[in-house]
Amino acid sequence: GNSVTQMEGPVTPSEEAFLTINCTYTATGYPSLFWYVQYPGEGLQLLLKATKADDKGSNKGFEATYRKETTSFHLEKGSVQVSDSAVYFCALTNTGGFKTIFGAGTRLFVKA
Amino acid sequence: DAGVIQSPRHEVTEMGQEVTLRCKPISGHNSLFWYRQTMMRGLELLIYFNNNVPIDDSGMPEDRFSAKMPNASFSTLKIQPSEPRDSAVYFCASSLWTSGGETQYFGPGTRLLVL
Repeated sequence: GNSVTQMEGPVTPSEEAFLTINCTYTATGYPSLFWYVQYPGEGLQLLLKATKADDKGSNKGFEATYRKETTSFHLEKGSVQVSDSAVYFCALTNTGGFKTIFGAGTRLFVKA
Repeated sequence: DAGVIQSPRHEVTEMGQEVTLRCKPISGHNSLFWYRQTMMRGLELLIYFNNNVPIDDSGMPEDRFSAKMPNASFSTLKIQPSEPRDSAVYFCASSLWTSGGETQYFGPGTRLLVL
């Protein structure tokens, strides 16, 4: 079946550090891949997405590249800020599918 | 543009009472999803609709839970009778489904506390 595995948190880098949050997936077919972010007290919102292999999604300084050969979609940012502190969810939707499969979420806490 | 609207934002009730959560999806969207989020179980998909028709309700935990979508602009999730273990944040999300891979837009959630 389809599944998403992401690194456990919390991840606690210092401000301006380089950030990587790992995500790997299992899926049949050719899924679309997403990163959603949830700020305290709010619903999830799309951060970035990629719909086919080798695509790179980017937004707000975050990037992730769809790697089919390693079934990965790792989230990176060159210089994190305190305001990036949130929970990050990796997710996938299969072509033609309704459901989005979410990972367990990774809590990011950026230290000032 | 208005996003997904949920009401109430907070609900405190006593065990055994009926609880009704409401959702207005983004206008023009044809798919609607209800999720539950807790610290212990994370984010769980309860049920989803396409064109107002329930497609998969396998995530609904018990018969105490029911959901309806009488038209394209309104959905309800009802818990009757409520129990303390139902305490969670309930999210509604909508999307414009065409061929899969579409973004879901989440509402702000309803924080439910059952005493």
